[in-house]
Amino acid sequence: NAGVTQTPKFRVLKTGQSMTLLCAQDMNHEYMYWYRQDPGMGLRLIHYSVGEGTTAKGEVPDGYNVSRLKKQNFLLGLESAAPSQTSVYFCASHHRGTYEQYFGPGTRLTVT
Amino acid sequence: AQTVTQSQPEMSVQEAETVTLSCTYDTSESDYYLFWYKQPPSRQMILVIRQEAYKQQNATENRFSVNFQKAAKSFSLKISDSQLGDAAMYFCAYRSAFRAGNNRKLIWGLGTSLAVNP
Repeated sequence: NAGVTQTPKFRVLKTGQSMTLLCAQDMNHEYMYWYRQDPGMGLRLIHYSVGEGTTAKGEVPDGYNVSRLKKQNFLLGLESAAPSQTSVYFCASHHRGTYEQYFGPGTRLTVT
Repeated sequence: AQTVTQSQPEMSVQEAETVTLSCTYDTSESDYYLFWYKQPPSRQMILVIRQEAYKQQNATENRFSVNFQKAAKSFSLKISDSQLGDAAMYFCAYRSAFRAGNNRKLIWGLGTSLAVNP
């Protein structure tokens, strides 16, 4: 039982490049979330999903896209990376009807 | 909109002593959940303790306990018998009990960095 895993752990991109961050959970959770964490700003919600095939925008969705084709996976895409997207990205999940979110170890992304 | 405030950016405590981290929040809702998360240098976000607003009894998890004052909108975390492994960033978070739309999200404070001195 690995819990919530994120791939990759670190990545450096040049401005304009694209990439996809993968979040996987083996707890059969319905709800999944993508956050970014920046110094002095706490965690901010980018997108979330309440089930397979559904996604919704959080508070800072611009510049990101997501997909939830399989229940266990939640992908975060950056189509054209910008330096403002330099951050640590966290994925989280939980069961419907519960409220504690279980977090992955994070991905540190630097855009130069 | 709900907000969460942690007024202590940094705190320190001597090993084996007790420390209290402060958290206040603003909401017009009556039903919600409050959490304390710990983020050690490894970056992994770990749930420390949770409190349901409808419960008057303060939550306790081993050396960690909360002082939940609903009327004052205060939710402090007490760490007893502090250990070196308690050194971390601690975040207070709020979640509405209502499930629609963005109510599902956690609203976070900016964190308190706790140092434990040997």
